[in-house]
Amino acid sequence: KNEVEQSPQNLTAQEGEFITINCSYSVGISALHWLQQHPGGGIVSLFMLSSGKKKHGRLIATINIQEKHSSLHITASHPRDSAVYICAVGHRSGSEKLVFGKGTKLTVNP
Amino acid sequence: EPEVTQTPSHQVTQMGQEVILRCVPISNHLYFYWYRQILGQKVEFLVSFYNNEISEKSEIFDDQFSVERPDGSNFTLKIRSTKLEDSAMYFCASSESGGGMRDTQYFGPGTRLTVL
Repeated sequence: KNEVEQSPQNLTAQEGEFITINCSYSVGISALHWLQQHPGGGIVSLFMLSSGKKKHGRLIATINIQEKHSSLHITASHPRDSAVYICAVGHRSGSEKLVFGKGTKLTVNP
Repeated sequence: EPEVTQTPSHQVTQMGQEVILRCVPISNHLYFYWYRQILGQKVEFLVSFYNNEISEKSEIFDDQFSVERPDGSNFTLKIRSTKLEDSAMYFCASSESGGGMRDTQYFGPGTRLTVL
């Protein structure tokens, strides 16, 4: 069983729609990361959170530690938001590594 | 804004050859990482490096792999004898402090390794 599960795998939206991408994990974590992978392959860190909610521009990330669940929301989506969004967790055990989900491929059509 | 850089962007090599992938982490960062992503698959952790030594490695990181910080700025990943299954995108990352799980990791643009 994967330690990090994302849904949906693929998501197509119309410009302006509100987007939600979900991430569930099965281990105790110290922090959860949301990353964006561009079509060319580069990875950008969007958020790191261990509780509550963070907002940056049109992006909002929330986490519920008790339910081991996080969501990434995009308000007023735009074609330039098209990318793969990846959830990754750091173990509470003290491990250095991040464990990644398979990613959600988002396509926003004009 | 400071960024992690990687060279080359694309490396093509013959099976059995040695390759060295290079990374320049952000200058005040103390923790360095290598990850790989086989085409169509998820990103996987390879190794973390702190204070001039490996702090953690995955089962993927076998004796064919090594890492080095030769001169205080570069961070390299060497694959001694490449196999077809080493073909992947390799990402370097760095973080300022506290270990990767407590600090934002900044990723480089990746090196696409193709083993023929």
